[in-house]
Amino acid sequence: EAGVTQFPSHSVIEKGQTVTLRCDPISGHDNLYWYRRVMGKEIKFLLHFVKESKQDESGMPNNRFLAERTGGTYSTLKVQPAELEDSGVYFCASSRTGSSRAFFGQGTRLTVV
Amino acid sequence: AQSVAQPEDQVNVAEGNPLTVKCTYSVSGNPYLFWYVQYPNRGLQFLLKYITGDNLVKGSYGFEAEFNKSQTSFHLKKPSALVSDSALYFCAVRDGGNTPLVFGKGTRLSVIA
Repeated sequence: EAGVTQFPSHSVIEKGQTVTLRCDPISGHDNLYWYRRVMGKEIKFLLHFVKESKQDESGMPNNRFLAERTGGTYSTLKVQPAELEDSGVYFCASSRTGSSRAFFGQGTRLTVV
Repeated sequence: AQSVAQPEDQVNVAEGNPLTVKCTYSVSGNPYLFWYVQYPNRGLQFLLKYITGDNLVKGSYGFEAEFNKSQTSFHLKKPSALVSDSALYFCAVRDGGNTPLVFGKGTRLSVIA
């Protein structure tokens, strides 16, 4: 079974630019989560999709962040315009409904300069 | 609100010695507790979980964790550390189902030969 895949693995952009991160969950996993870890701090929840619907987006920092999951398959997280404090590692995870275990991708390291 | 505390930023242990990585949690209902590990340039890998049942749970790579309800702790342990265990360890909690995970800030484990 293929794991959760994230693209790109690294991204360096200038402040004010736009970046789009992509997550391909494990096939058949209805639940998809985005998390972020800022350097040296805890991993924080951003949002949760169930299929194509946003179940919980309470962790989204502000309206510069937009997440989509059209068709309930892969998801994108767009940051526009990026700010310095957006730097960090963005993790995606997926799980089957009814399963407590979440599978994580390798993360996208975003650096805003 | 749920929270997780990992009181140690860094744990150093000699190869062959037992190791403990500490975790305490706070949750309103019954906790679902997890340990994840992140090796360099890799994603988060699941080690073990506690949902219900026996307080001592065994996981991957020889790790185990003990759930202690009265102390609200879920410390990660291994009887004999390996250099290859050196990594970043995260404790996490959720209050059931497919709700988002709440993570601690992580503990870096260094096993010295």
